[in-house]
Amino acid sequence: DIQMTQSPSSLSASVRDRVTITCRASQSISNYLNWYQQKPGRAPNLLIYAASSLQSGVPSRFSGSGSGTDFTLTISSLQPEDLATYYCQQSYRTPYTFGQGTKLEIK
Amino acid sequence: QVQLQESGPGLVKPSQTLSLTCTISGGSITSGGYHWSWIRQPPGKGLEWIGYISFSGSTYYNPSLESRITISADTSKNQFSLKLSSVTAADTAVYYCARVSSSNWVFFDYWSQGTRVTVSS
Repeated sequence: DIQMTQSPSSLSASVRDRVTITCRASQSISNYLNWYQQKPGRAPNLLIYAASSLQSGVPSRFSGSGSGTDFTLTISSLQPEDLATYYCQQSYRTPYTFGQGTKLEIK
Repeated sequence: QVQLQESGPGLVKPSQTLSLTCTISGGSITSGGYHWSWIRQPPGKGLEWIGYISFSGSTYYNPSLESRITISADTSKNQFSLKLSSVTAADTAVYYCARVSSSNWVFFDYWSQGTRVTVSS
């Protein structure tokens, strides 16, 4: 299985801060990397697919980058509604696997 | 707008079979370019992909669960189902069904709200 490792596991930031979450794959996955946002008590929601493509309806403050084994999710200006846990997920090969999650708190 | 809704018991006894059904509205289970998947999340933990059934009826399972899983589809009802046998407390989780978009890139673009299943006697 391809292992996905996110860092940090948790972070606290202020409104309007720039936030970066990283995800590393245990082997090259090209651009087959997706990012999801899960708000408390809710199902995950797709933010970014193919490493850098913004899903329809997702605010433009979210962006993704990277290829191969190293990827980044960036929130350019943190908003209160961005309180959530963020997961990366590889779709290069089954079994599809997720990172352990990054819990984002608002200061 | 695709919507997914699970149904099934919220409590299952150890060693029994967990059975869930996902009903699709706003889309067809036989639409090309999509698979239909199950994903679970144990309490306070991360996400685990269980498996999927393709629009053509082929199935792909997570090897960690493969010996206990069956995913099937009822095209007449626009539903797909999960059966997980010989459950233990480790199978307690919120179970989601999701659509897998697989035309060029592969991602989970629509999710159900999730149903909590507890394994306990």
